Amino acid sequence: NAGVTQTPKFRILKIGQSMTLQCTQDMNHNYMYWYRQDPGMGLKLIYYSVGAGITDKGEVPNGYNVSRSTTEDFPLRLELAAPSQTSVYFCASSYSGHLLSSYNSPLHFGNGTRLTVT
Amino acid sequence: DAKTTQPPSMDCAEGRAANLPCNHSTISGNEYVYWYRQIHSQGPQYIIHGLKNNETNEMASLIITEDRKSSTLILPHATLRDTAVYYCIVHSLTKETSGSRLTFGEGTQLTVNP
Repeated sequence: NAGVTQTPKFRILKIGQSMTLQCTQDMNHNYMYWYRQDPGMGLKLIYYSVGAGITDKGEVPNGYNVSRSTTEDFPLRLELAAPSQTSVYFCASSYSGHLLSSYNSPLHFGNGTRLTVT
Repeated sequence: DAKTTQPPSMDCAEGRAANLPCNHSTISGNEYVYWYRQIHSQGPQYIIHGLKNNETNEMASLIITEDRKSSTLILPHATLRDTAVYYCIVHSLTKETSGSRLTFGEGTQLTVNP
């Protein structure tokens, strides 16, 4: 398994441009998440999804949109990039079955996309 | 979710055990304790989690106090590659809350010295 794959690894955007950060996982995980991490800080949840067709806001959703048309893919869209969105973005996934123990399965993270908005 | 408190930094000599503490005094009965680590520039990596009992896997051991208000992550023989930020997270997942937010604080920077 490749696990969680994020593309691109790096990107520089001008203010007002838009882009989509791609995330795909090959572990058949139901749950997927987008986090951002500012320098020296912990991770903040942007959006998450509990399955195809279902998404919900996290702590810091403003300025972002997501979709989940398949189990494997969970792209994050920035419509009007702003300098405040300069950050490292991490996608993660986790398994959830029908057993209580599976509700607490760990997150698997990708290696991140480093975005600079100037 | 319960708040956690970790020291901002710790040092450990290579080959020695690294003991990373975490306080979670407001933990509730159905909340698990998770540990992740983040090696510079990489995505966080899951280490271990537990509810009440001590847990051990190939990476580490997790010791949870009887009152569950604190825990310790133990890396038995730390190597230079264990230098990372270690995050202690307390979270409850039930069928109703599955997939809901898992919040990372600022963690402990562990530096393993040669």
